[in-house]
Amino acid sequence: EIVLTQSPGTLSLSPGERVTLSCRASQSVSSDYLAWYQQKPGQAPRLLIYGASSRATGIPDRFSGRGSGTDFTLTIRRLEPEDFAVYYCQQYGSSPMYSFGQGTKLEIK
Amino acid sequence: EVQLVQSGAEVKKPGESLKISCKGSGYSFTNFWIAWVRQMPGKGLEWMGMIYPPDSDTRYSPSFQGQVTISVDKSITTAYLQWSSLKASDSAIYYCARRSYNYGDHLDYWGQGTLVTVSS
Repeated sequence: EIVLTQSPGTLSLSPGERVTLSCRASQSVSSDYLAWYQQKPGQAPRLLIYGASSRATGIPDRFSGRGSGTDFTLTIRRLEPEDFAVYYCQQYGSSPMYSFGQGTKLEIK
Repeated sequence: EVQLVQSGAEVKKPGESLKISCKGSGYSFTNFWIAWVRQMPGKGLEWMGMIYPPDSDTRYSPSFQGQVTISVDKSITTAYLQWSSLKASDSAIYYCARRSYNYGDHLDYWGQGTLVTVSS
C-alpha cells in the first residue's frame, strides 16, 4: 500500500502570499496518477490538479502542480481569500486503488 | 453539466440497514466508474470502492470489503452504497464521485455528500 504524507498539517498565511504544499509517497508514483483536491468547510472536494501538473476545468492558473517519483507539490501563486481550505493529494495504484494524503489545512493568518 | 446528486441525510440506529444513492446526469453514465469516498467527522478522505455501470464490475478497498455493498441501476443512472447492519463507527459523510481515466486516474466530479448518523 502506498502511503501519502502531506506537510505541513496546517499553514497560517495571509492573502497575497505564495504557498507550496508537499505530498510525499512511500513508494514511487506515476506522475499520471497523482491528483490534488481542495475541500472547503461543508463542501465536497473539488479536483484541482491531475496528472501531477494539469489543471482541471475552471481552475485558475495561480494553482500549479509538479513533481515526480515520490515528491509532489502544489503551489498557489498568490493566495486569494477563497483559497483557504484543506488540500488533499491522491494517488491511483495498487490496492487500495486510490489513497489520499491526510490533508493540509490553509488558514488565514 | 455533469451532476452527481446524492440522497439526503440519514439518522439510523445501530443494527439497522441503509441504502444511499447517487444519481448521475449530464454525461454518458455508462462510460464512467462511480466511486464512493468516506469522510469521518473532522477527518480525511478514504476511498471505499467503485462500480462500472455497464457490467456492475465492482472493486472494493480492503478496508471496506465485506462491510458495504456497492451497486448500480444503469436504467436510472444511479449508484448505491448500502449497509446491512450499521455501527456507530459508520457515522460519516459519504461522497460519490466520477472516475476519470482518459488521462491519469482521478475523481473529477463529486456529489454533494450524504451525512449518515448512526446513534442509539
